Amino acid sequence: AQSVTQLGSHVSVSEGALVLLRCNYSSSVPPYLFWYVQYPNQGLQLLLKYTSAATLVKGINGFEAEFKKSETSFHLTKPSAHMSDAAEYFCAVSDGGGATNKLIFGTGTLLAVQP
Amino acid sequence: KAGVTQTPRYLIKTRGQQVTLSCSPISGHRSVSWYQQTPGQGLQFLFEYFSETQRNKGNFPGRFSGRQFSNSRSEMNVSTLELGDSALYLCASSLDRHQPQHFGDGTRLSIL
Repeated sequence: AQSVTQLGSHVSVSEGALVLLRCNYSSSVPPYLFWYVQYPNQGLQLLLKYTSAATLVKGINGFEAEFKKSETSFHLTKPSAHMSDAAEYFCAVSDGGGATNKLIFGTGTLLAVQP
Repeated sequence: KAGVTQTPRYLIKTRGQQVTLSCSPISGHRSVSWYQQTPGQGLQFLFEYFSETQRNKGNFPGRFSGRQFSNSRSEMNVSTLELGDSALYLCASSLDRHQPQHFGDGTRLSIL
């Protein structure tokens, strides 16, 4: 069965500092991996996706993630945090072994950005 | 291009009642999935519909059901509501499997 683990339920960084949000996955088949962001009282917004085309994936708002098969990781980074990045971030894996679109989510990481 | 629209945004019900939530996907998207989000359990998959057929179902009791219409709009129904059904219900649409899913802003259901 596929699963996703996000290390750190809360991460706090200073404005302008590097953002690193960790995600490790478990999958018996090549995974499809996604990062989503959720702002208060809103749904999830897609930041980026990994679909095996390239190991370094660039997303919206300056975020990127690197797929490392040897480490089964897909960590999200941003070189310089902005106050508007404060939100909850979810890593997700698509149940790629099956014929459906089911997403399995991590437990989320709440990012706080200090001025 | 219009996004995923969920109605209503907020609902308050009492135990034992039933509720129907609606989701209009992005035009052209045939896959619609539903998720339940709670502080304790996080984001959990309810079910997915594709071309009016349920393609997958999560581990939820039979009180949770859904359907999809020929125009890809979807509804989910919860019968005999329990306090634990209080949650944010999110709908997501995509072109097909493994394609990025686009989420609506959700329906927040509160059970009194």
